[in-house]
Amino acid sequence: AQSVAQPEDQVNVAEGNPLTVKCTYSVSGNPYLFWYVQYPNRGLQFLLKYITGDNLVKGSYGFEAEFNKSQTSFHLKKPSALVSDSALYFCAVNYGNMLTFGGGTRLMVKP
Amino acid sequence: NAGVMQNPRHLVRRRGQEARLRCSPMKGHSHVYWYRQLPEEGLKFMVYLQKENIIDESGMPKERFSAEFPKEGPSILRIQQVVRGDSAAYFCATCRELKAEAFFGQGTRLTVV
Repeated sequence: AQSVAQPEDQVNVAEGNPLTVKCTYSVSGNPYLFWYVQYPNRGLQFLLKYITGDNLVKGSYGFEAEFNKSQTSFHLKKPSALVSDSALYFCAVNYGNMLTFGGGTRLMVKP
Repeated sequence: NAGVMQNPRHLVRRRGQEARLRCSPMKGHSHVYWYRQLPEEGLKFMVYLQKENIIDESGMPKERFSAEFPKEGPSILRIQQVVRGDSAAYFCATCRELKAEAFFGQGTRLTVV
């Protein structure tokens, strides 16, 4: 069975500093990997995806993610955080019939 | 091209009533997922459907819950005889194909009183 783990419930970072939100997955094969963001009382919004090709994927709002097959990770990164980046972030894997989400990581960016 | 539409946005039901949640996919999207979310928690997979077919319902309770995605019209998540524990936000997500990104609706917030 596939699974996605986001080991940190919350990540705190100062505005202007780089941020990393971690994600690891467990799939016996080549997965499709995604990051989504959720703002309060809203649905999830797509940020970026990895299907194949270059391990570094660039997405919306200056976010990027690095696919590491040997470590089965897909960490979300941004070089310089903004207060407006504060939200709930979800990693997801699509393999077979299932689109499975991690438990979410709350990102708090302080001014 | 309108986004994924869910209605109603808010639904209040008394215990024992039925709740019907609707999800209209984006144009060209034939894959629909339903998820349940409790406040400050992650998304719990419920069911995955393609047009007229339930592909995977492993996340859905065996009783009281059902889902459909007819040839014409929206996907429906139906909860019969609701209980207080059914109170949650229910999101649908739709995509064109499995390797494409999914687009989410705004969710339906069900409150059982």
